[in-house]
Amino acid sequence: ETGVTQSPTHLIKTRGQQVTLRCSSQSGHNTVSWYQQALGQGPQFIFQYYREEENGRGNFPPRFSGLQFPNYSSELNVNALELDDSALYLCASSLGTGTAFFGQGTRLTVV
Amino acid sequence: GQQLNQSPQSMFIQEGEDVSMNCTSSSIFNTWLWYKQDPGEGPVLLIALYKAGELTSNGRLTAQFGITRKDSFLNISASIPSDVGIYFCAGQTGANNLFFGTGTRLTVIP
Repeated sequence: ETGVTQSPTHLIKTRGQQVTLRCSSQSGHNTVSWYQQALGQGPQFIFQYYREEENGRGNFPPRFSGLQFPNYSSELNVNALELDDSALYLCASSLGTGTAFFGQGTRLTVV
Repeated sequence: GQQLNQSPQSMFIQEGEDVSMNCTSSSIFNTWLWYKQDPGEGPVLLIALYKAGELTSNGRLTAQFGITRKDSFLNISASIPSDVGIYFCAGQTGANNLFFGTGTRLTVIP
């Protein structure tokens, strides 16, 4: 148990819809990073939030956006869903640049 | 972006055997991490390495941070069935994001 929890665990959306994924960070951690893991691949960095501000972004389009709240929990929002967005979305929390601990992920299927 | 290559891609071994896998990069990293991932779950941290040349153990697992800072290896001694899973290396630069390798799928035959 890492103390990082994500919800929902699974969901199915239709192409063109919007989705919001949620993450509660481990107690004492102030930094949340989001990753996308396609089937058979390693996780790919989407972006990171530190003290409610975006603090680095990977090679993902603007329709991937996020928020971090004062309690350091975070949301990942994806607009105009595409079939290729189907993946396991992972949230990781850390204390600043410290070691990242991952949640169990949200499996998103876009049909 | 940084490309991390892991080898081998997959391994089939007998219970009790030792396992060795490695990760190489075209870029230098300040931190190397090794994670294990079970199907449908998030990666679980096994070992973190913070200094070039560092050799660190965690039970039956041993990992080293390469001197060039562009590679790392992970050894598992006396494998057991619960070692089955996908092992990922990850490198971290001064920025906070992790770059993951392509993964090594380990199967342990009882």
